Amino acid sequence: GAVVSQHPSWVICKSGTSVKIECRSLDFQATTMFWYRQFPKQSLMLMATSNEGSKATYEQGVEKDKFLINHASLTLSTLTVTSAHPEDSSFYICSAPIAGGPGPSYNEQFFGPGTRLTVL
Amino acid sequence: KNQVEQSPQSLIILEGKNCTLQCNYTVSPFSNLRWYKQDTGRGPVSLTIMTFSENTKSNGRYTATLDADTKQSSLHITASQLSDSASYICVVSAGGTSYGKLTFGQGTILTVHP
Repeated sequence: GAVVSQHPSWVICKSGTSVKIECRSLDFQATTMFWYRQFPKQSLMLMATSNEGSKATYEQGVEKDKFLINHASLTLSTLTVTSAHPEDSSFYICSAPIAGGPGPSYNEQFFGPGTRLTVL
Repeated sequence: KNQVEQSPQSLIILEGKNCTLQCNYTVSPFSNLRWYKQDTGRGPVSLTIMTFSENTKSNGRYTATLDADTKQSSLHITASQLSDSASYICVVSAGGTSYGKLTFGQGTILTVHP
């Protein structure tokens, strides 16, 4: 199947610093990518939809100025957590869809391995 | 409000035994339903994906069923292995104006003991 990678796999930073997380589709192009956040023992929560060549769409309650998303190419989306604080510590996962299957609604989503962010 | 609810919340079984996980959803309009396996500290990996016209789909020892009328799905795991220990997430994709938007269940944490 298709491969989505994330870098770094884990990062520890001091409070107040900014952290950039990369999401790459390795063997396919993705005009859309999704960013999720997952707290311990909870399910994934969609933060934003990253759109190549246009602005990201943020879910309600997600601060767009704090979580900057840039979809610079058809294979790369980046999430920058600005002025990170301990409450931003979480597991961040991206995904990218591929259309296919018996119909246009059958788009499969491939998830990256996730990035563990710890803010001290 | 679109919701996906899974049961049980957690499950412990012995290696070699079978188990069934449940998923109820209220997502509308419905596009497709997926089951993912998520190992601790890893991203979810797709097991099955079904549209409304598909009642069952298998992937090795995993068999998913879908009843679009009652809006229920199940994931049956046969002859469990230690490596099956993970969180299993039911995800429903919406159609219509919400096309492609995913609603996640909270997951069932499966632990397989030797």
